[in-house]
Order: sequence, then structure tokens, then C-alpha cells
Amino acid sequence: DIQVTQSPSSLSASVGDRVTITCRASRDIRTYLAWYQQKPGKVPKLLICAASTLQSGVPSRFSGSGSGTDFALTISSLQPEDVATYYCQKYDDAPLAFGGGTKVEIK
Amino acid sequence: EVQLLESGGGLVQPGGSLRLSCAASGFTFSTNAMGWVRQAPGKGLEWVSTINGDRTYYTDSRFTISRDNSKNTLFLQMNGLRAEDTAIYYCVKEGDLGYFDLWGRGTLVTVSS
Repeated sequence: DIQVTQSPSSLSASVGDRVTITCRASRDIRTYLAWYQQKPGKVPKLLICAASTLQSGVPSRFSGSGSGTDFALTISSLQPEDVATYYCQKYDDAPLAFGGGTKVEIK
Repeated sequence: EVQLLESGGGLVQPGGSLRLSCAASGFTFSTNAMGWVRQAPGKGLEWVSTINGDRTYYTDSRFTISRDNSKNTLFLQMNGLRAEDTAIYYCVKEGDLGYFDLWGRGTLVTVSS
């Protein structure tokens, strides 16, 4: 089965900072990668699919990149409302799999 | 309104069974792949199962996913439950290829004696 590894597991940054979270698949998954945001106590929300396609209503400071085995989620200017745990998910084939999550906090 | 509403969670003893339900509304349920994702307390997300047409996919053979398109309802039958199955179980609607574009609020399953 393909494994998905996220890094870092947590980060602390200042408001306005550029933040990057990476996700690595153990084999080529082309662009079959999604990103989710889960705010504390809330339900996960889809941010990006197909590695870089932003969902409607998601702020443009979020962007996704990558293909094959290496992917990234970037927040261009971190805002207080971005405090959350972010997950990547591969969906090229079953079994579907999530990364372990990255907890983003404000410094 | 587009929504998913889970029910059926609760406290069950180890070795017991539970059947979760998910009522869908606001979209054409029968033409969408659906699934279940769980999250143990304080832990990350874990895909559990998907049903797409007449094909089903699982991580664990103790679980059985099914659907009733006439009632816009998704089910998850869970047998032989263990303490490590304790989690919030989310009903999810899948996008075109296997990402999850709609989530329910979740139902808590607690396996404990």
C-alpha cells in the first residue's frame, strides 16, 4: 500500500508569515492528492483537490503544488483564522490514505 | 440544504456490533460514491470504507458498507468491535475520484466494558 508522510507534524509562525507543509507519497500518485483543514472541534473541510485545484470559497492565500511523490500546501500570509490541523490525502486508488496531519499555530 | 447526518453511535462492549447510518439530503445520493472516515480521540483522520456503484472498499473485513438509494441512506455495519475502534465516524461524500467534498458532523463510537 502507498504511504503518505506529512511534515512537519506541527509548526508555529507569525501572522503574515509564509507557511509550507509538505506531503510525500511512497510511490507515484500523479496529482491524486487533496488537502483538508480541520479547525479545533470542527469537521474537516476540503481545501484543494487534484494537488492544486482550490475549492470554491477557499481564500486565495492557500495554494497547492506538486505531482508524483512530492506535494506542498502553502499559506502565503498566515492569518489567525488559519489555526488548524491540515491533512493531505492520496486518492489514486484504494486504500485511500491520509497523512498524519500538521498542526499550525500562531507564534 | 446539502448535508449528511450520521446516527447510530454509542457505547458498545468489546466484541459487540453496531450499525451506523447516514442520511443524505440536498444532492443526488444514488450517483455519488460515499464513504466513512474515522478519527480516534486526539488523533488523525483514517479512511474506513467506500462504496462506489456496486463496488466496495475496506481497510478492515469486520466492517461492511452498504446503501439504500431509495432512502438516501448510507450504512456501516461494524462487528467484533475493539477498543481501538473508538472514534468519531464521519460520513463523507466523495468527489469525482476519491477525495471527500462533503462531511457529516460525525457520530461517536465508544468501545469499552
